[in-house]
Amino acid sequence: DAEITQSPRHKITETGRQVTLACHQTWNHNNMFWYRQDLGHGLRLIHYSYGVHDTNKGEVSDGYSVSRSNTEDLPLTLESAASSQTSVYFCASSVGPSREQYFGPGTRLTVT
Amino acid sequence: RKEVEQDPGPFNVPEGATVAFNCTYSNSASQSFFWYRQDCRKEPKLLMSVYSSGNEDGRFTAQLNRASQYISLLIRDSKLSDSATYLCVVILNTGGFKTIFGAGTRLFVKA
Repeated sequence: DAEITQSPRHKITETGRQVTLACHQTWNHNNMFWYRQDLGHGLRLIHYSYGVHDTNKGEVSDGYSVSRSNTEDLPLTLESAASSQTSVYFCASSVGPSREQYFGPGTRLTVT
Repeated sequence: RKEVEQDPGPFNVPEGATVAFNCTYSNSASQSFFWYRQDCRKEPKLLMSVYSSGNEDGRFTAQLNRASQYISLLIRDSKLSDSATYLCVVILNTGGFKTIFGAGTRLFVKA
């Protein structure tokens, strides 16, 4: 069955380190998204991509970057992790930009 | 004013009850509408899309009112397993697409 996976599921890192969170989908969806979810804020969009080599900033993109070298993967990189980036990160994909999104299981990141 | 607003609840209802949630949106360029459910510490899962004509899936009914700019979700015959947070999602089309999540409505169904 097609699916969307994220790794690692849990990560503890230190302030200032570079961290990359992986997202892989087998639906062949062109559109992929990264969100973070924090208490009191709900889901907030970090970056998104509408296809290979396309990336766009969301509402909370500072300190994060993405690259899209193929259809299946959209890794999220924290250039220099900060304690404010402690959060749960969800990746999602959709067949079209106005269509329903399907979410991965999430990565719980703690920055100490 | 938030672009998408939901009553955070919590809604506490007994098994078998009917419960309704509303979600209001502020931008008339809103194009697509969805309800998701999210269990504690899990990912959001699509519950249903919301169409202008309204749609039903088993015990769940979704309605869209474009004139008043709100969508609703009705759950009939509530089950314990319906306990979750329900997220309203709106996708705007203002030249580019923008997905906006409501903060969610918490539902507790009690035996």
